[in-house]
Order: sequence, then C-alpha cells, then structure tokens
Amino acid sequence: AQSVTQLDSQVPVFEEAPVELRCNYSSSVSVYLFWYVQYPNQGLQLLLKYLSGSTLVKGINGFEAEFNKSQTSFHLRKPSVHISDTAEYFCAVSPFHNNAGNMLTFGGGTRLMVKP
Amino acid sequence: DSGVTQTPKHLITATGQRVTLRCSPRSGDLSVYWYQQSLDQGLQFLIQYYNGEERAKGNILERFSAQQFPDLHSELNLSSLELGDSALYFCASRETSGGAGELFFGEGSRLTVL
Repeated sequence: AQSVTQLDSQVPVFEEAPVELRCNYSSSVSVYLFWYVQYPNQGLQLLLKYLSGSTLVKGINGFEAEFNKSQTSFHLRKPSVHISDTAEYFCAVSPFHNNAGNMLTFGGGTRLMVKP
Repeated sequence: DSGVTQTPKHLITATGQRVTLRCSPRSGDLSVYWYQQSLDQGLQFLIQYYNGEERAKGNILERFSAQQFPDLHSELNLSSLELGDSALYFCASRETSGGAGELFFGEGSRLTVL
C-alpha cells in the first residue's frame, strides 16, 4: 500500500516570491510520482510527473519538482509565483507494476494562496 | 477542457435517497476512475473500470456501485444516502489501464445530502 503526506495544508506567499510545496510518500514498491493542480471549481490537471531518469522534472506553468529517493520526497517548486497560481495542489503516487488498476493515491492537498 | 464530461454538476437530495452520477470519458479512453473528494477524507479512490470490466476497487461503500457501458460511459450509483456522503465526486479517464499515463479529470459532480 502507498501513502502520501503533504506537510503543509496552506501556504501563503506574496506574488513573485519563490515557493516550495512539500510532499513525502511511503510505499513498499516502486512508484511513479505526480503533482496535480485544482483551480477553483475545476477538476484536477496534471502539472508534472516523475517516471524515471533525471530526478529534476519540469512541468507546466514554470513548476518543477525534485525526486529524492533516500528521503522519499517529491517537493514542488516555482521560483516566482503569480496570482493565477492560487489553487490546491495535490501530490500523488501510483505503483510501478503494470497490472490492472494503477490507481493514484493522493495526498491531502496544499492550498497555495498568492497575495499581491 | 479535459474532454471528460460529468453530469449533473450539482445535486441536492435527502437522506435515504438514491442518485446516479454519469461520466463520459475522453474519446478513445478505455479506463474510467471514480474519486470522492470531501473535506475530512480528501481525495479517495473509489473504483476503476477498463473497457467495461471492473479492474480495481478502493474505499467504495457497499451502498455505492458503478458500471461502465459498451459505449464506455460510466455511472456511479449512490444509494441509502447519508449526510456524510456529501462530497465532490470526480470521474477521470485515460487510454490504458496500467502504466503512468495521465489521468484526465472531469469537473466533478457536487452532491449535497440534506
């Protein structure tokens, strides 16, 4: 079984400041790692994913995340946030094995609030 | 627009009632996933179908059931509703069953049980 912990439920930040949203996971098997974003009154949208290879992954809207296997972390970063980045961000994992399902296990979410 | 369509967007009903939520996946996607999002439980995986067959089951109550039809649309049936069933129900789809392909989410159906 897998579990995902997002250490901050809310992160307030001023516009143009850098931000880091933290994610730690636990799994007995190898996993794929994802970050999804949910804008108000919308469904979830994929920001980026880590499958293999380089541990630094770049996604849409200037976001990037770094996979750290020893710390079982996958923190999301952006060097300069905009008001439009205000949203809920979800970290998720999915097991490697290519059998039926491979459903995502989500963390509790982090609400990013960008202030002018 | 993700290409995944969910209806209805909002639904208000009373305890003890039964409702059906509908999902049309993206064109070409064979897998449909249902998730429940509530304030206290977060995003919980309920069930997955692939090409009409159940593939994985998560934290789905016995009062809930789902199916995927030959045209690949899916329905989630919620019966004997309780106050605690109030939540946002998401449908997501992708082309395959396994692997790391992106899940495309609909905008959700918000259920309020009074």
